[in-house]
Amino acid sequence: NAGVMQNPRHLVRRRGQEARLRCSPMKGHSHVYWYRQLPEEGLKFMVYLQKENIIDESGMPKERFSAEFPKEGPSILRIQQVVRGDSAAYFCASSPGTIFDSPLHFGNGTRLTVT
Amino acid sequence: GNSVTQMEGPVTLSEEAFLTINCTYTATGYPSLFWYVQYPGEGLQLLLKATKADDKGSNKGFEATYRKETTSFHLEKGSVQVSDSAVYFCALRDNAGNMLTFGGGTRLMVKP
Repeated sequence: NAGVMQNPRHLVRRRGQEARLRCSPMKGHSHVYWYRQLPEEGLKFMVYLQKENIIDESGMPKERFSAEFPKEGPSILRIQQVVRGDSAAYFCASSPGTIFDSPLHFGNGTRLTVT
Repeated sequence: GNSVTQMEGPVTLSEEAFLTINCTYTATGYPSLFWYVQYPGEGLQLLLKATKADDKGSNKGFEATYRKETTSFHLEKGSVQVSDSAVYFCALRDNAGNMLTFGGGTRLMVKP
């Protein structure tokens, strides 16, 4: 049973370009979460999605960032017009539902570097 | 809102030493509590969990007990190994069952 798959593992973008980060949840999981980890810091929640729905985007910057989880295919975190401050590791996690005692399962992350 | 506070690192220990990493939380209701571990260049792996007061989670020699009266979930290990060197994150998930709220992480360095 494959785990949470994220790609690419490393992504380099120049300032002003767009970054697209992909996440395929574990088989049978319909809930996806995106977190950002700045260097030497903890994980900050960004957005929580179910298929075709954004449930909670309270941690997402209001501009330039968007996320989707279509009916078919992976979840996508999109960052437009990237700036140096967007350089971070972006982690995706999935769960089968909102059962509060079940853990989230994390991918290995995408490390975005903005030059 | 929910919050998790961990002791700041880095924590540097010699092999076979006793480990404690403190974690306290603030949450409404009765959350579930988790410890995750992150090895260099990797994602987070679940280490252990506890879902109600006085539960003890354990895995790979690590233990943590859910203490409702002190709102704590301290991580302990009796004898650390070099391979335990990693960053450890305490986290909670509340009754709404949505996202995990993480502490800031504690880096553990174990020297031979």
